[in-house]
Amino acid sequence: AQRVTQPEKLLSVFKGAPVELKCNYSYSGSPELFWYVQYSRQRLQLLLRHISRESIKGFTADLNKGETSFHLKKPFAQEEDSAMYYCALSGRGTNAGKSTFGDGTTLTVKP
Amino acid sequence: DTGVSQDPRHKITKRGQNVTFRCDPISEHNRLYWYRQTLGQGPEFLTYFQNEAQLEKSRLLSDRFSAERPKGSFSTLEIQRTEQGDSAMYLCASSRLGTGAYEQYFGPGTRLTVT
Repeated sequence: AQRVTQPEKLLSVFKGAPVELKCNYSYSGSPELFWYVQYSRQRLQLLLRHISRESIKGFTADLNKGETSFHLKKPFAQEEDSAMYYCALSGRGTNAGKSTFGDGTTLTVKP
Repeated sequence: DTGVSQDPRHKITKRGQNVTFRCDPISEHNRLYWYRQTLGQGPEFLTYFQNEAQLEKSRLLSDRFSAERPKGSFSTLEIQRTEQGDSAMYLCASSRLGTGAYEQYFGPGTRLTVT
């Protein structure tokens, strides 16, 4: 069975501090991993995808297949990063896009 | 095109009533997904379509739930004989085919309250 676990429901950091949102997954096969973000009163949107290896809004995420983790990191948090973050995985091929989400981490960046 | 739209945004119904939600995807998107989200949890996959074909239906969906995408454009999700446990946010998302399927665009959701 596929599963995504985000161990922290809430995470609070000060502006300028590093932030790491944890994500662990289980999947029999080779999944695609994603981070989604939901800002206050906005819809869910894709933040980044592991295969693209991009840095979006200063965030990066490295897929560690040995530890089955996909933690989201940013070296210097900003107040506008305050949001709900969801880690998700998707199968490939026909199952592409059919996603399993974690329960989310609420990030608060304090001034 | 302003993105994925859902109607209504909010629905309050009494237990036992039927409800229907509509999702309009981004016009060139072939794939359409339905998710359900309850308080404190992430979205849970319900079903998805490729054009008008329903590819999969989650075990979470009882026989009271049905979804259609008759012309490969908009989709409807119907819940018959609603129960209080059906209260949730129902999210729709759409994407292209192929590698574009990984980039899903979500709608604002329909919040259902069953009293």
